[in-house]
Amino acid sequence: GDSVTQMEGPVTLSEEAFLTINCTYTATGYPSLFWYVQYPGEGLQLLLKATKADDKGSNKGFEATYRKETTSFHLEKGSVQVSDSAVYFCALSDRDDMRFGAGTRLTVKP
Amino acid sequence: NAGVTQTPKFQVLKTGQSMTLQCAQDMNHEYMSWYRQDPGMGLRLIHYSVGAGITDQGEVPNGYNVSRSTTEDFPLRLLSAAPSQTSVYFCASSYSAGEIYNEQFFGPGTRLTVL
Repeated sequence: GDSVTQMEGPVTLSEEAFLTINCTYTATGYPSLFWYVQYPGEGLQLLLKATKADDKGSNKGFEATYRKETTSFHLEKGSVQVSDSAVYFCALSDRDDMRFGAGTRLTVKP
Repeated sequence: NAGVTQTPKFQVLKTGQSMTLQCAQDMNHEYMSWYRQDPGMGLRLIHYSVGAGITDQGEVPNGYNVSRSTTEDFPLRLLSAAPSQTSVYFCASSYSAGEIYNEQFFGPGTRLTVL
């Protein structure tokens, strides 16, 4: 079945550092890809999405490009802030359900 | 709009007890779903519904029942709780099953402990 594998954490960075969280997927069809973010004590919020190959999703300085040839959707940000500390989930959706990666905890230190 | 609401926020059960986790949304969304979140495993789909009167199983349905009598409500029932059901449970909704391609809106979660 469809699945998502993402980089294990935790990841600890200093403020203004460059962030990459790797995500690869396995799917039989043509899924949509997502990054969700979960702040402490809250539910998940959509960060960005891409619905077809070569699409780039972006939001709040975060970017990810749907790469069909490498089945990847890596999350990047050029300069992280303390407020970006959260758990990040890569996910794919095909038809009626959504599959999530295990999540990567990011801590940004001042 | 309140969005997606869940009650209770916390619950402790003894093995064998039953309970219902409540989920409601006020966005007139057709699609609703339940996930459980366990450390190191991300979110796993338990059950979902594409509209009132229609439900289907997700990845980990055993031990859980659902019903969808109205568009707004999608309760999750544990008939006989087991320690393996200790988890954080999230309810989510989107405009339609097709719109799952766009975005799901998540509730704040219910933390359940089964002793």
